Amino acid sequence: GAVVSQHPSWVICKSGTSVKIECRSLDFQATTMFWYRQFPKQSLMLMATSNEGSKATYEQGVEKDKFLINHASLTLSTLTVTSAHPEDSSFYICSLGLAGYNEQFFGPGTRLTVL
Amino acid sequence: AQSVTQLGSHVSVSEGALVLLRCNYSSSVPPYLFWYVQYPNQGLQLLLKYTSAATLVKGINGFEAEFKKSETSFHLTKPSAHMSDAAEYFCAVSGSGANSKLTFGKGITLSVRP
Repeated sequence: GAVVSQHPSWVICKSGTSVKIECRSLDFQATTMFWYRQFPKQSLMLMATSNEGSKATYEQGVEKDKFLINHASLTLSTLTVTSAHPEDSSFYICSLGLAGYNEQFFGPGTRLTVL
Repeated sequence: AQSVTQLGSHVSVSEGALVLLRCNYSSSVPPYLFWYVQYPNQGLQLLLKYTSAATLVKGINGFEAEFKKSETSFHLTKPSAHMSDAAEYFCAVSGSGANSKLTFGKGITLSVRP
């Protein structure tokens, strides 16, 4: 399978600042990546689908101007949480969708805490 | 449209006992079904998947699941629980294809008593 990394693994920031989370595919070209958010003791919720070279597709209720997704290369997708607030504190997980594979490959996640 | 129902939020078993975690799904297309395990502050690990081949699927760590179309179920079982099985378990459904969205159930916490 594919190996997906995320950086940073955890980040603490002040309210009002922006935070960028990187998701890298280490051994496959990543045409499609997915971004999920997981609040404590809850399930994963899909935020957006990121396609290389085009705009991301956001799920209903997810603010695209707040959660900026850039997928400019075939190995890297980034999620920027702009003007972060404490309610944005969550576990953010990315995954890789590969043609020919019947599953998504998940990164290890990034824990964001906004003070 | 697709959805997953995992009834209950917590299952507790004794070490060595049978583990049964229930999952029912709804899908407007032939489903692909998955079970994932998540340990605290970690990402997801795939236990097993059903992708329209054999209905009885064997996964890692002794887990298996059976796809029952008539019951729209994909329950996860393990004959004998280990302490290391204590974790959060998620059932998920998708369609086929690399761009298919995964929809997760709310998850079940498995506790294993000594």
